[in-house]
Amino acid sequence: DSGVTQTPKHLITATGQRVTLRCSPRSGDLSVYWYQQSLDQGLQFLIQYYNGEERAKGNILERFSAQQFPDLHSELNLSSLELGDSALYFCASSSNDRNLYGYTFGSGTRLTVV
Amino acid sequence: DQQVKQNSPSLSVQEGRISILNCDYTNSMFDYFLWYKKYPAEGPTFLISISSIKDKNEDGRFTVFLNKSAKHLSLHIVPSQPGDSAVYFCAASGSSNTGKLIFGQGTTLQVKP
Repeated sequence: DSGVTQTPKHLITATGQRVTLRCSPRSGDLSVYWYQQSLDQGLQFLIQYYNGEERAKGNILERFSAQQFPDLHSELNLSSLELGDSALYFCASSSNDRNLYGYTFGSGTRLTVV
Repeated sequence: DQQVKQNSPSLSVQEGRISILNCDYTNSMFDYFLWYKKYPAEGPTFLISISSIKDKNEDGRFTVFLNKSAKHLSLHIVPSQPGDSAVYFCAASGSSNTGKLIFGQGTTLQVKP
């Protein structure tokens, strides 16, 4: 157990729907990162939050949004889902706003859009 | 634009031998590099890192080498063990004030007993 909790582990939904992925960071960590891993691809950076504020943004689609709450957990909202959104979504956390000692990743949420 | 590339999708080595995983990058602004290991159904776990001011970093059986002029880094595992069988990702970080990482596509290492 890495200490980073992602729920749900698996999600199957239809095109056009909206889903919310949840991440609880490791205790004491202030930064939360979201990554997408599509088939045969590396991890693509989506967005970073640090202590409730957006810190960095990657190639995140406009249909996707995220936030970090006062208790530091984060949610990634995916709307108007398309088949191509099927992927593994990873959340990671770190104690600072950089990655000096590497992130701690959760085990991911596998999203399947049918 | 793939700024971090792992050109070998897979690698197979015999137990006890050396495993060498390679990674190339294109952005000269990257100042910090990391290797992650990933087992099936788990998230990636941090393995080892190196700052751009160094050319080598060692941690037990794992050594990372950085050649800045060639924009190339490699991970050496000596001796390789069957438990090392996993997907290995290299990642790079720029000198911006964020924790954003750029990952390669990964290399699947199989260590045969």
